[in-house]
Amino acid sequence: QVTLKESGPVLVKPTETLTLTCTVSGFSLSNPRMGVSWIRQPPGKALEWLAHIFSNDEKSYSTSLKSRLTISKDTSKSQVVLTMTNMDPVDTATYYCARTDSGSYYPSDYWGQGTLVTVSS
Amino acid sequence: DIQMTQSPSSLSASVGDRVTITCRASQSISSYLNWYQQKPGKAPKLLIYAASSLQSGVPSRFSGSGSGTDFTLTISSLQPEDFATYHCQESYSTPFTFGPGTKVDIK
Repeated sequence: QVTLKESGPVLVKPTETLTLTCTVSGFSLSNPRMGVSWIRQPPGKALEWLAHIFSNDEKSYSTSLKSRLTISKDTSKSQVVLTMTNMDPVDTATYYCARTDSGSYYPSDYWGQGTLVTVSS
Repeated sequence: DIQMTQSPSSLSASVGDRVTITCRASQSISSYLNWYQQKPGKAPKLLIYAASSLQSGVPSRFSGSGSGTDFTLTISSLQPEDFATYHCQESYSTPFTFGPGTKVDIK
């Protein structure tokens, strides 16, 4: 079955760089239809789309966060990595990765459980 | 970027009620609209994709409609497990913006 799992630090200091890893199983990152998206949700707030990457290495980023984000993948390890530089307390959120299907209007049909990242000194 | 709005922001309803949530895009997005359900402390769950296609395993009391800029999610008969927050998302052009969410709670 399809699963995704986020991993990374639970606490980062302001100005530090956050690196999150999404490890997937049940599908291949080389599948031409499937990509992986990152979405975050500050406590009590709305979902915010951050970035996605597909098998052909097509990448897209949030307009407001583009300068701080980098998404990459290691197909052999079934992992997608998101880095976010210059972290600030307002970046405190639960970060989710999700499989995104380009063959059916790009829904995110499987999600990881999420990982809460707190930014504090 | 495309902006997404939802109305209402919250609603109270009873089991058995018919519930309708509206999502509006700031420009035409054809049928590139997805709906998700999220319960407290859990990841979102895909309900509807391509505006009106029911995701596998989702009960048929959930339905979606609309195209262009205006969309609706309807729950035909609200069940206890449906009390949650519902999010719309456009997937027409990146960034794939989410709406602010609609919380459905018990009346």
